[in-house]
Amino acid sequence: EDKVVQSPLSLVVHEGDTVTLNCSYEVTNFRSLLWYKQEKKAPTFLFMLTSSGIEKKSGRLSSILDKKELFSILNITATQTGDSAIYLCAVYGEYGNKLVFGAGTILRVKS
Amino acid sequence: GAVVSQHPSWVICKSGTSVKIECRSLDFQATTMFWYRQFPKQSLMLMATSNEGSKATYEQGVEKDKFLINHASLTLSTLTVTSAHPEDSSFYICSAIAGGEGTQYFGPGTRLLVL
Repeated sequence: EDKVVQSPLSLVVHEGDTVTLNCSYEVTNFRSLLWYKQEKKAPTFLFMLTSSGIEKKSGRLSSILDKKELFSILNITATQTGDSAIYLCAVYGEYGNKLVFGAGTILRVKS
Repeated sequence: GAVVSQHPSWVICKSGTSVKIECRSLDFQATTMFWYRQFPKQSLMLMATSNEGSKATYEQGVEKDKFLINHASLTLSTLTVTSAHPEDSSFYICSAIAGGEGTQYFGPGTRLLVL
């Protein structure tokens, strides 16, 4: 059975801190890994990672995939209160277009 | 990115009534859409995969007669919660795949409260 595990489950930091969120996976026929940010509504897309070692970057957020060790990290530098959200990691695995989600990491950034 | 809309954004209904939720892809065509359910402080749970022009594929444990899905066009899928009960109260989210890479974009979600 495909599985995605995120850590930590929750995290509280101060503005300006740098955070690293982890996502490990066990899936059959891995295709790609996606990161989403969820605030009060539905998830918004951040990154899709398909190849190992290639960092994707968007402003203060960056992510990288290691297909050998089966994990990905999401980095947020110089955190702001607006970064407070649930960060979800999901993987396309065995069953075509079905995404398997991790439980999410709840990030709270204090001012 | 691609835009997916949902309507209504929230609904309150009496127990025993049926509720229809619409999911639309606004600037692209989607042969496949997905319906998720999310309880407070939990991750998304896939309910079913909606296929344009054919029957939906339901996940194990999801009652297909309870959650009716219709994907009648390339831009619209509907989820009908039939004879809703308080335990059906939840956040329902749809998504659709856009672009060749297969990125799933989510609608804003529908909060359902059954009294």
